[in-house]
Amino acid sequence: SAVISQKPSRDICQRGTSLTIQCQVDSQVTMMFWYRQQPGQSLTLIATANQGSEATYESGFVIDKFPISRPNLTFSTLTVSNMSPEDSSIYLCSVVVAGGPTDTQYFGPGTRLTVL
Amino acid sequence: QKEVEQNSGPLSVPEGAIASLNCTYSDRGSQSFFWYRQYSGKSPELIMFIYSNGDKEDGRFTAQLNKASQYVSLLIRDSQPSDSATYLCAVNTGTGFQKLVFGTGTRLLVSP
Repeated sequence: SAVISQKPSRDICQRGTSLTIQCQVDSQVTMMFWYRQQPGQSLTLIATANQGSEATYESGFVIDKFPISRPNLTFSTLTVSNMSPEDSSIYLCSVVVAGGPTDTQYFGPGTRLTVL
Repeated sequence: QKEVEQNSGPLSVPEGAIASLNCTYSDRGSQSFFWYRQYSGKSPELIMFIYSNGDKEDGRFTAQLNKASQYVSLLIRDSQPSDSATYLCAVNTGTGFQKLVFGTGTRLLVSP
């Protein structure tokens, strides 16, 4: 498995501002993802964070709104830009740990964002 | 469209009973299958994975996979109130690890 930490764990922000969420892993991982989980909903993949290149965004998500950095194999950031109340959600990073009979995906503890 | 479907529930079972959670998927090329447990306000926690047809047991949990019928299930024996959570089914399509496709989850309620 992997030990994943996220900062901040929660925040309350004003509309129009931006928040950067950090994800740190205790070992080098190739694949890292960012998800959003809105209240009462399942997980929605925002993007794949690629080390050394631009993130790969899913349909409905754009770089201007959710810029992502991945400077190395243990760290990534997700910025939620120009926030609106609709961005209130839990944001989760996850990593894939290789090895064993199959690669497995683990989640960080999440960042609970409330936009007023 | 690669889809994973689960009954949203809630599935209510008495303490000590067997809880059966089901998941169907649309992509026949899917290779590996995962069950996550998510407590309210917490992040998903991996319970089990399975990639071969048949049963795989881990303690009180048994995952069952039937690729011909395109379904995967999770059985929880001797259910406890602490098992009350949302259970997410996730499917990895294709060879090698790709992004998982998640179901919407089944909420399980175990009553004392």
